Amino acid sequence: ETGVTQSPTHLIKTRGQQVTLRCSSQSGHNTVSWYQQALGQGPQFIFQYYREEENGRGNFPPRFSGLQFPNYSSELNVNALELDDSALYLCASSTLAGVGEQYFGPGTRLTVT
Amino acid sequence: AQRVTQPEKLLSVFKGAPVELKCNYSYSGSPELFWYVQYSRQRLQLLLRHISRESIKGFTADLNKGETSFHLKKPFAQEEDSAMYYCALRGGGGFKTIFGAGTRLFVKA
Repeated sequence: ETGVTQSPTHLIKTRGQQVTLRCSSQSGHNTVSWYQQALGQGPQFIFQYYREEENGRGNFPPRFSGLQFPNYSSELNVNALELDDSALYLCASSTLAGVGEQYFGPGTRLTVT
Repeated sequence: AQRVTQPEKLLSVFKGAPVELKCNYSYSGSPELFWYVQYSRQRLQLLLRHISRESIKGFTADLNKGETSFHLKKPFAQEEDSAMYYCALRGGGGFKTIFGAGTRLFVKA
C-alpha cells in the first residue's frame, strides 16, 4: 500500500507569483482534502475533492483553486501569492468523503518572499 | 461559529504521571471528534475518534456534549508519548475538518 505523497518538499516563491502543489493519494482513496498550516497553528481546511469535483470549501479566497484527476491525485494552485501564504500545505486522502479516516502527506513548505 | 480550542500550548509531565490534554469545541449540531498526533519528523496521523470508543496506545477520550469537551487522557505517560497533539472536529456534511492549535506534550524521564 502506497502512502500519501506530496511534491515538492519545499519551495520559495516571490510575492505575486503563482504556485502549484501536488498530492498523490493513497491507493484506493478517492477523496483528497487540502490544508494550510501556519507556524504554531493547527491545519486549516482549504477544500476537498471527491471524484474530481470540489466537495466543500473553507474560508479561503478564490485565488486558491484545485483539481483532482481521474487517478485521484490532486493539485493545489495559488495565484497572486501573498506573504501570509507562507505555510506548510498538507493534503490528506480518504476513501469516502466525509466518512473515511484521513491519511496525511508529509506536506509542502511554501515560503513567499 | 465552529471552533476547537486547546487551551495549553505546552504540557510537560514526568514519566509515569497521568496526563490530560484539554479540548473544547463549539458546534451547533452533532460533530464527530478526533485526536491527531504528530511525532517528531513524522506526518500527522489519527490517534482516535470518539465514535470508535477505543483506547489507542493507552489513550482514551470521552465526548462530553454537556461541557462540549473531548479531553485526551492517559493514566501513565511514557517518554514515547512526547509529540504534538491536535484535537479536531468534523461537522455536518462531513467534508470539513476543523483543527485546534495543538498542544505539545513533553514527557520527562
